[in-house]
Amino acid sequence: GNSVTQMEGPVTLSEEAFLTINCTYTATGYPSLFWYVQYPGEGLQLLLKATKADDKGSNKGFEATYRKETTSFHLEKGSVQVSDSAVYFCALSDPGNFNKFYFGSGTKLNVKP
Amino acid sequence: DTGVSQDPRHKITKRGQNVTFRCDPISEHNRLYWYRQTLGQGPEFLTYFQNEAQLEKSRLLSDRFSAERPKGSFSTLEIQRTEQGDSAMYLCASSLAAQRTSGRGNEQFFGPGTRLTVL
Repeated sequence: GNSVTQMEGPVTLSEEAFLTINCTYTATGYPSLFWYVQYPGEGLQLLLKATKADDKGSNKGFEATYRKETTSFHLEKGSVQVSDSAVYFCALSDPGNFNKFYFGSGTKLNVKP
Repeated sequence: DTGVSQDPRHKITKRGQNVTFRCDPISEHNRLYWYRQTLGQGPEFLTYFQNEAQLEKSRLLSDRFSAERPKGSFSTLEIQRTEQGDSAMYLCASSLAAQRTSGRGNEQFFGPGTRLTVL
């Protein structure tokens, strides 16, 4: 079946620290991979995506590379800001049905000034 | 505002009552999705529509749940005889039709959600 596993949070960092949030997936076939971010009181917002192996998605200083050999899509940012504090969700779209998404349980990031 | 909107944002009800939520997708999107999110978890797929046709329903969607999209625009999600276990955030998302060969077009855009509390 299809599933996504994320590292448990919360992750607490100081401003300007390096961020990595691990995400691994299980899928039958070749899914598209996504990172969504959810700020307090708001809905999920698409942060970045990658549609095939070795693709790198990037947005707002965040990056993630689709690694087929390790079935991973780790989220990284070189220097976090207080405004990055949010919950981050890794997701995949079902290779057999692109309309169906599977989400990880989310990783809460707290960035302290 | 051209994003996905949901109404109401919060709903408190007593066990056994019926509730209905509304979702207005991005206007040019022909696909609409409903998810349920419980505290500390990611969204779980419930159902989706292409235009007015409901194409798939999750096993999570019991007989007490019904969703409609009568004119292929807005959608409603009704829960009958609510139970305390129904307490959750109900999220709506919309997208264009996915292009399988390129993987493009299948980004889902989410609304702010309706938080349901069943007492």
